Amino acid sequence: EVQLVESGGGLVQPGGSLRLSCAASGFTFSNYWMHWVRQAPGKGLVWVSRINSDGRSTSYADSVKGRFTISRDNAKNTLYLQMNSLRAEDTAVFHCARGAGSYFNYWGQGTLVTVSS
Amino acid sequence: QSALTQPASVSGSPGQSITISCTGTSSDVGGYNYVSWYQHHPGKAPKLMIYEVSNRPSGVSNRFSGSKSGNTASLTISGLQAEDEADYYCSSYTSSSTLVFGTGTKVTVL
Repeated sequence: EVQLVESGGGLVQPGGSLRLSCAASGFTFSNYWMHWVRQAPGKGLVWVSRINSDGRSTSYADSVKGRFTISRDNAKNTLYLQMNSLRAEDTAVFHCARGAGSYFNYWGQGTLVTVSS
Repeated sequence: QSALTQPASVSGSPGQSITISCTGTSSDVGGYNYVSWYQHHPGKAPKLMIYEVSNRPSGVSNRFSGSKSGNTASLTISGLQAEDEADYYCSSYTSSSTLVFGTGTKVTVL
């Protein structure tokens, strides 16, 4: 059974940093592109970032470019999102998702990030 | 990249059919057959319902179907059931090699 479990969320002050993790199991992690998607309170889903299977190619939404870094450790079956210079508008539930071409075929339940003083 | 446009809410009675639209541009929806749809019950993991415009993953009810015409994609739910009540999002590949979601539609079963 495919499982994606996010962790690392919490309360952080504006300007602070946080690193999210996504532990993957039930499939060969190193074969798949992976994504981060977020949902602010009361708002819709927003694509954040993606990384290819070997970690050499990444892409970001304009809203996080230069502040967030996606990475992966295929030996540990884990996806990461390093978030720096956090802003109040980054407050959201962050989901990791397994990519399959142009879509996401498995998702985690998400981890909540709250940016507030 | 602007979000794709969906109606905020759609409702229907049990057994009826409803259709959710997803409008983009020639740089996303209209330019590629890479539209997908997701069902999201708040607090849970989103679930893939349709991929590549009209393909249904294994295990998804055949009451769900997808289509596209020009810059607008659509998700139709036939034989509406109480369990279908959820938020639905479309997504498309874009000419910037990124992905964009729709604004989301709340489906209510009356």
